[in-house]
Amino acid sequence: EPEVTQTPSHQVTQMGQEVILRCVPISNHLYFYWYRQILGQKVEFLVSFYNNEISEKSEIFDDQFSVERPDGSNFTLKIRSTKLEDSAMYFCASSRQGLYGYTFGSGTRLTVV
Amino acid sequence: GENVEQHPSTLSVQEGDSAVIKCTYSDSASNYFPWYKQELGKRPQLIIDIRSNVGEKKDQRIAVTLNKTAKHFSLHITETQPEDSAVYFCAATPDFGNEKLTFGTGTRLTIIP
Repeated sequence: EPEVTQTPSHQVTQMGQEVILRCVPISNHLYFYWYRQILGQKVEFLVSFYNNEISEKSEIFDDQFSVERPDGSNFTLKIRSTKLEDSAMYFCASSRQGLYGYTFGSGTRLTVV
Repeated sequence: GENVEQHPSTLSVQEGDSAVIKCTYSDSASNYFPWYKQELGKRPQLIIDIRSNVGEKKDQRIAVTLNKTAKHFSLHITETQPEDSAVYFCAATPDFGNEKLTFGTGTRLTIIP
């Protein structure tokens, strides 16, 4: 079964540093998403991306965040200057079209110290 | 935007008994309602979903019911087993082709052997 892969699985970073979280969506998928889950809380939508541009973003997704599809396979989330409250599990997801084949990656646990 | 409430937050059930988790949503445009199971430190896994054109869907021991008039939907797990222990999240979204999922707050289900 095709999978969405995310790297690294765990990243520890100093407050104020930039981090890039990487995702490889399923190859024939066209829609890409990032979600965040603070420990013990619900999964929250951050951003959706289609046709090389952001389709929708939440209020969490402020100017510190950016997304990019730098080549045909990767989809990245960059946090420019991390804060303690950015510590969370970040899930990438992709779908073929809208809700069809909607699949989550295994997540990156980001710890900001 | 959409708001999804989920109850209960924790649920303990004797092995073999049934478990029911309930969600309500606010946006009448929502017409797709997935349920995810999340084990500790893992990705959310889709276990069942329902669209608004049906009132009930069943897959072996798992069923979901939808009342669009009342804007609520429920997950039913029968003959519970220890491996059903996990956190369950409901979600809702309108299906316009590029969808963010709005998740409920989660239910920690514990099956007591």
